[in-house]
Amino acid sequence: GIQVEQSPPDLILQEGANSTLRCNFSDSVNNLQWFHQNPWGQLINLFYIPSGTKQNGRLSATTVATERYSLLYISSSQTTDSGVYFCAVLSGGSNYKLTFGKGTLLTVNP
Amino acid sequence: ETGVTQSPTHLIKTRGQQVTLRCSSQSGHNTVSWYQQALGQGPQFIFQYYREEENGRGNFPPRFSGLQFPNYSSELNVNALELDDSALYLCASSRQGEETQYFGPGTRLLVL
Repeated sequence: GIQVEQSPPDLILQEGANSTLRCNFSDSVNNLQWFHQNPWGQLINLFYIPSGTKQNGRLSATTVATERYSLLYISSSQTTDSGVYFCAVLSGGSNYKLTFGKGTLLTVNP
Repeated sequence: ETGVTQSPTHLIKTRGQQVTLRCSSQSGHNTVSWYQQALGQGPQFIFQYYREEENGRGNFPPRFSGLQFPNYSSELNVNALELDDSALYLCASSRQGEETQYFGPGTRLLVL
């Protein structure tokens, strides 16, 4: 099956700093989603981005499907951005099974 | 628009017992997927239900089973609980044919 790798595994920032999270995948994908998991476990949809670039406030994402990677940019980070960020993909003949990476644990210190 | 809800929020069981977890899908959504998230890992797909039938299954044994009801809500049943079943169980809903899935807050299961 498809492999999804995220980097870095851990990231510690000071409030106000910018960061880039990366997601590499081993095969072509039909769908790619970025999620933020808060400390209580809730997975919050950030982007649905199988290709191209999207922006939502301080967050933006770019997926280069031909090169099999996606990037999540966080600008002017805030303490509330802390948590685990997951990349998840739909691939091959599956239109239902999301395959997740192991996530990036982001800690933003005041 | 009502989001995905799950119950209970936390549960403690002992090895060998059975457990039922419940999920109500987001309004307008007819498909429910279940995922298991072990500590420090990403969620793993268990199965998906559409029109009250299993629509796909991940690499989980038959003691993991489910149901979907006419109102699109769903149950996950786990028999003969093992210690390794301790995890966060997440439910996600979507519209059939649309690929974006929306997740509930999860149920934390601890098996002692």
